[in-house]
Amino acid sequence: DGGITQSPKYLFRKEGQNVTLSCEQNLNHDAMYWYRQDPGQGLRLIYYSQIVNDFQKGDIAEGYSVSREKKESFPLTVTSAQKNPTAFYLCASSMAYHGGPSTDTQYFGPGTRLTVL
Amino acid sequence: GQNIDQPTEMTATEGAIVQINCTYQTSGFNGLFWYQQHAGEAPTFLSYNVLDGLEEKGRFSSFLSRSKGYSYLLLKELQMKDSASYLCAALDSNYQLIWGAGTKLIIKP
Repeated sequence: DGGITQSPKYLFRKEGQNVTLSCEQNLNHDAMYWYRQDPGQGLRLIYYSQIVNDFQKGDIAEGYSVSREKKESFPLTVTSAQKNPTAFYLCASSMAYHGGPSTDTQYFGPGTRLTVL
Repeated sequence: GQNIDQPTEMTATEGAIVQINCTYQTSGFNGLFWYQQHAGEAPTFLSYNVLDGLEEKGRFSSFLSRSKGYSYLLLKELQMKDSASYLCAALDSNYQLIWGAGTKLIIKP
């Protein structure tokens, strides 16, 4: 079954701790994305990667870091510098980036709900 | 700035038709997406429009007017399982998706 997986589904963190959210896809997609979703707001882009070993900051990258060492994996680290990390985090992938509608359509993983205690 | 507007919440009756509107202001435009998101779950792709007009896909149809910066999602023969949030997103000139806050659709029996 092809798809995107995120783990864990729920994550609790103490203030001052870094935490890493996993995202894996077996769709052979080149592009991957991390979003944050807060109640009453649209999805906000944290980081995206068009290709292995390359990634770009999105609109709200401060306090977050990513890596893209393998095509299928795009982990997100929420650092202690992120002021308000409690949110629903969504990972997505698309066939390509800038390729047109069929390749730019993004498909989402099930999400990780992070709560800072 | 870039902006997507859609109603916060709508209510409709099972079996009826509902239209969810979306207006957008973006730097350039490369198409508009609609996604469905059930509570606590991931958004799932519904439709993509880049040319003016109506695209029909079963019970769901999506319309675009580029000159008016306007789109709508039309849902027919509403079912209880259609209760969800519907997200509108526009692809700007840099191929970045600009997302609306979503419209929560409540279906009543």
